[in-house]
Amino acid sequence: SQTIHQWPATLVQPVGSPLSLECTVEGTSNPNLYWYRQAAGRGLQLLFYSVGIGQISSEVPQNLSASRPQDRQFILSSKKLLLSDSGFYLCAGKKGAYNEQFFGPGTRLTVL
Amino acid sequence: GIQVEQSPPDLILQEGANSTLRCNFSDSVNNLQWFHQNPWGQLINLFYIPSGTKQNGRLSATTVATERYSLLYISSSQTTDSGVYFCAVEGRGGGSNYKLTFGKGTLLTVNP
Repeated sequence: SQTIHQWPATLVQPVGSPLSLECTVEGTSNPNLYWYRQAAGRGLQLLFYSVGIGQISSEVPQNLSASRPQDRQFILSSKKLLLSDSGFYLCAGKKGAYNEQFFGPGTRLTVL
Repeated sequence: GIQVEQSPPDLILQEGANSTLRCNFSDSVNNLQWFHQNPWGQLINLFYIPSGTKQNGRLSATTVATERYSLLYISSSQTTDSGVYFCAVEGRGGGSNYKLTFGKGTLLTVNP
């Protein structure tokens, strides 16, 4: 079965600083990969998804970007963080049409 | 896009009680998943259930795809069942993206 790894677990960054969150997948190849954000409250919002190396689709306009330099690596970035970028970021992966989507442990980002 | 509504939004139980959580969705789906978000934020996969009934210990789930709803049953609840329960669906016609749309969740509190 696939395992999603994320780091760091928590991060506190000043406004205007850059960001790089990494997600790696173990146990499968050529998965679809996803970045979600969970703000205060409960809803999960899909930010980006990728169906293959170098292929990124954005769901909402924002201050963030994503990249997929390798098959099992998905990176979430920002050049300059905003206060509104604070939240809980979750990476997820899915292999094929009739399989579950699995989530990593998440990164809790606080922008001060 | 597809809409997902969960009810109730909040539920408080005494240990040992049974409960039913509901998920309504607005269109046909290829995939439906139930998750439990633990106090550390990790999303735990409970069921992959686009149709039919499944059971796993004290938890069971039923999806009636033709009527566009799913139910999650928790029997003999324990304090460790506390947390947020999410329903998420993957609508049809999305190509190979397999994106999940989440409901807003049910916050379950089980008191000793």
